[in-house]
Amino acid sequence: DIQMTQSPSSLSAYVGDRVTITCRASQGISTHLAWFQQKPGKVPKRLIYGASILQSGVPSRFSGSGSGTDFTLTISSLQPEDFATYYCLQHSNFPWKFGQGTKVEIK
Amino acid sequence: EVQLVESGGGLMQPGGSLRLSCAASGFTFSTYTMNWVRQAPGKGLEWVSYISSDSSGIQYADSVKGRFTIFRDNAKNALYLQMNSLRAEDTAVYYCEGDSGGYDYWGQGTLVTVSS
Repeated sequence: DIQMTQSPSSLSAYVGDRVTITCRASQGISTHLAWFQQKPGKVPKRLIYGASILQSGVPSRFSGSGSGTDFTLTISSLQPEDFATYYCLQHSNFPWKFGQGTKVEIK
Repeated sequence: EVQLVESGGGLMQPGGSLRLSCAASGFTFSTYTMNWVRQAPGKGLEWVSYISSDSSGIQYADSVKGRFTIFRDNAKNALYLQMNSLRAEDTAVYYCEGDSGGYDYWGQGTLVTVSS
């Protein structure tokens, strides 16, 4: 099975900061990776698919990059509404696996 | 308006069975692959099961393999998850999720609690 290691598990940043979250796969998954945002008490929302393709309607301050084993989600200028937990998902090989999540808090 | 509406959750004793349903509307359900994803209280997301658009491909997480069965009825725009031999660790909110390339839809979730 492919394991996903997501880091950091939590972070605190100021509004306007650039924030980076990483996911590492235990073996190559090409670009079969998605990023999700989940706000407290809400349903997950896909932000990025295909490692770098922005979901329609998602603000352009979100971007994804990477292929193979190392992937990054970047928020270029953190906004108050970005307070949430973020998850990566590998969907290259079954069983699919989510990362452990990164909780983003606003300072 | 796109909608995925789960139902069938509730309180069950360990060893019991439950069937979850997910009713789809507002999109061409028969062209979407579907998944069940769960989230235990205060925990992260866990992928549970996958079914292809025509039901020819089905996959399960190791944690539910042999106990859960996913199936769909494209004529009724419905997705199901038959859950048998329930365990305490199956307690979670269960979401149905539909994916077709650039489109990704989630239901609001249904809570399954397994406890004696």
